[in-house]
Amino acid sequence: GQQLNQSPQSMFIQEGEDVSMNCTSSSIFNTWLWYKQDPGEGPVLLIALYKAGELTSNGRLTAQFGITRKDSFLNISASIPSDVGIYFCAGQLSGGGADGLTFGKGTHLIIQP
Amino acid sequence: EAGVTQSPTHLIKTRGQQATLRCSPISGHTSVYWYQQALGLGLQFLLWYDEGEERNRGNFPPRFSGRQFPNYSSELNVNALELEDSALYLCASIQGASYNEQFFGPGTRLTVL
Repeated sequence: GQQLNQSPQSMFIQEGEDVSMNCTSSSIFNTWLWYKQDPGEGPVLLIALYKAGELTSNGRLTAQFGITRKDSFLNISASIPSDVGIYFCAGQLSGGGADGLTFGKGTHLIIQP
Repeated sequence: EAGVTQSPTHLIKTRGQQATLRCSPISGHTSVYWYQQALGLGLQFLLWYDEGEERNRGNFPPRFSGRQFPNYSSELNVNALELEDSALYLCASIQGASYNEQFFGPGTRLTVL
């Protein structure tokens, strides 16, 4: 089946630093989604990307849909303590969600005050 | 507007028993997805229901089954529980089969002893 390689696996950063994480795949995706999951909760949708090359921002978060449609990155600027959590990328192969989303294994973000 | 709800929050069973998990989608959403998130792993697609029908299933054995009711709520049943079924089970809903943005519930933590 399809696999998403998400990196880094974990990040230890200082408050105020910028964060960058990415996902790559051997498959072409039509949609890229980025989610954040807090302990004991379900993932919360942060950003959805639908077109190759698309760059979308949501507050301090910026994500891009790679030109090849096989990758995406998420940047967080000026990190704050509440950014702590696990960030997942997810790809959708086709409209209609026949196969569900394919998720990366997540990036654990840990912020040191 | 209420989000996706799941019940119960926690469920403890023993090997060989059956578990039933429930999900209510966002009002107006007709598609429901089920995912399994084992400890330390990403989300794995289990089942997709749309308009009351099972549309697709992931790479899971037949003892994982479910249904969708006329009000679009859904039930996941796991028969003959095994220890490795212990996981967080997440339900997500989308507005319709042509949409890709999935919204997740808080999950049901299933523990098999």
